[in-house]
Amino acid sequence: KQEVTQIPAALSVPEGENLVLNCSFTDSAIYNLQWFRQDPGKGLTSLLLIQSSQREQTSGRLNASLDKSSGRSTLYIAASQPGDSATYLCAVYNTDKLIFGTGTRLQVFP
Amino acid sequence: NAGVMQNPRHLVRRRGQEARLRCSPMKGHSHVYWYRQLPEEGLKFMVYLQKENIIDESGMPKERFSAEFPKEGPSILRIQQVVRGDSAAYFCASSPSPNQPQHFGDGTRLSIL
Repeated sequence: KQEVTQIPAALSVPEGENLVLNCSFTDSAIYNLQWFRQDPGKGLTSLLLIQSSQREQTSGRLNASLDKSSGRSTLYIAASQPGDSATYLCAVYNTDKLIFGTGTRLQVFP
Repeated sequence: NAGVMQNPRHLVRRRGQEARLRCSPMKGHSHVYWYRQLPEEGLKFMVYLQKENIIDESGMPKERFSAEFPKEGPSILRIQQVVRGDSAAYFCASSPSPNQPQHFGDGTRLSIL
């Protein structure tokens, strides 16, 4: 049974820091892995999708890597800003469904 | 190009009533997925539907919950005889085909009095 874990559960940093959010999964037989952002009371915004054949994806200040063999993905956020404050969710595609981690709650203060 | 549309955004029901949640997928998407987010918990898969067919309902509670995606109209998640424990945010996602990126709606927040 696929399980997805995210560490840390919460993170509070000053503006400008570079951050690494971690995601681990127990079954390496995944199709894709996707990182989302969720603001309080809102839906999910897709940040990056990494296909199983890829090792990383980049979008602006965000970079996500995938190591299937070790069951890990990291989301790197460069030069963090207060507007980055949100919950970040990692999800793996397991056949026809997404299996989500419990998220990392990020707060970036000025 | 409108995204995934869910309505209502907020729904309040009393214990024992029925709740109907609607989801219109993105244009061109024929695959719909429902997820539930309980307070202080992660999102959990409930059901996967294609037009007129339930493909995977392994995450659906055995009783009181049902889902449909008719040939015409939105997908409906129906909860009969609601209880306090059904209070949660219910999210719908759609994709053009299996294993393609899923696009999420803003969710329906269900509160049970």
